[in-house]
Amino acid sequence: QKEVEQDPGPLSVPEGAIVSLNCTYSNSAFQYFMWYRQYSRKGPELLMYTYSSGNKEDGRFTAQVDKSSKYISLFIRDSQPSDSATYLCAMRAGAQKLVFGQGTRLTINP
Amino acid sequence: GAGVSQSPSNKVTEKGKDVELRCDPISGHTALYWYRQSLGQGLEFLIYFQGNSAPDKSGLPSDRFSAERTGGSVSTLTIQRTQQEDSAVYLCASSSGVGDNSPLHFGNGTRLTVT
Repeated sequence: QKEVEQDPGPLSVPEGAIVSLNCTYSNSAFQYFMWYRQYSRKGPELLMYTYSSGNKEDGRFTAQVDKSSKYISLFIRDSQPSDSATYLCAMRAGAQKLVFGQGTRLTINP
Repeated sequence: GAGVSQSPSNKVTEKGKDVELRCDPISGHTALYWYRQSLGQGLEFLIYFQGNSAPDKSGLPSDRFSAERTGGSVSTLTIQRTQQEDSAVYLCASSSGVGDNSPLHFGNGTRLTVT
């Protein structure tokens, strides 16, 4: 069983829709949770970072962490075609290596 | 400022040949990571350097893979006797290493194709 599970999709939604992306994990030692966005033929770029359970909002993006359920989510409001990319969840325990999910390929249709 | 730089951006090699992939991290970043991304897959951890500490090599898939980091800056990932299953995008990332939440900054990767 992988430490981090993420549905690879692909996920296709119309412009303006609310998008929900999710990951589950098995290692209860994970403390830091991140979402990276990766455009085609580019390296991943950090989108959101959270430490504790609860919600964190940044513009159209909201990251949610539920440590009791070992479940994290990323919500995108008013989705735009420019949001089309692969979204990777990532997490770490302390100063250890960052463990990534498989990534969800998202397409926003105009 | 300059980001993480990787070279070459693309590499095609014949099965059995050795390859070297280079990573120039962001200046001053003490932590450096190598990940591998196969088609349609997530990022697979390979190796992690942090300052002068012994590297975490737990992700290297076989003894054909090795990496070094000279002078705490540039890193080279070497794959000996390449196999077709080594074909992937090899991503390097660096971070300031200050605190457990320092974000990773990725390069655009080296796309390796073994024929």
